Amino acid sequence: DTGVSQDPRHKITKRGQNVTFRCDPISEHNRLYWYRQTLGQGPEFLTYFQNEAQLEKSRLLSDRFSAERPKGSFSTLEIQRTEQGDSAMYLCASSLGHKMNTEAFFGQGTRLTVV
Amino acid sequence: SQKIEQNSEALNIQEGKTATLTCNYTNYSPAYLQWYRQDPGRGPVFLLLIRENEKEKRKERLKVTFDTTLKQSLFHITASQPADSATYLCALTTGGGNKLTFGTGTQLKVEL
Repeated sequence: DTGVSQDPRHKITKRGQNVTFRCDPISEHNRLYWYRQTLGQGPEFLTYFQNEAQLEKSRLLSDRFSAERPKGSFSTLEIQRTEQGDSAMYLCASSLGHKMNTEAFFGQGTRLTVV
Repeated sequence: SQKIEQNSEALNIQEGKTATLTCNYTNYSPAYLQWYRQDPGRGPVFLLLIRENEKEKRKERLKVTFDTTLKQSLFHITASQPADSATYLCALTTGGGNKLTFGTGTQLKVEL
């Protein structure tokens, strides 16, 4: 399978714990995005990387959130001191190129439940 | 404020009919508008992209229109099938980096 892969698919954690999610994009894609989606809403942009550089972060991304993309390959999204409001589906997407007319390929998402 | 609005209520139609979904936006000037399909528990899947200078685009049973004066896109599925039942999201390409700003989505249910 050469699509975007996310791990784990589901994560249940206690409030206050740290969690880390992984995303493996399509191998030749230079752009990688993280989105968050809550029930009944569309995905909301969190951050994106072009190769290994993190070029933009949303105001939604509090200082408890950090993302990395070492060597421009896979990416990790870490949430520290989780809160119940962090419960959501975390989606990773990747795309190729620098133009605006490129589609995004999404992974299946990681569903986080904070109890 | 900036908004992307899609029909909040689910759309139920009979098999074989044409489904029409609406996406309205305010205070954006997108160069591109995209439509995605999302099934429960899965990530969105790209369907169609239309540029600001294109009025209409088609792909098989799908058709998208884009009216930058009305700030509206219409998404049509002709000869709808139960397998078309899903949530359909419109998204604008905004800002640098091709990040997508999504609407809330419209749930479509095609009944036999």
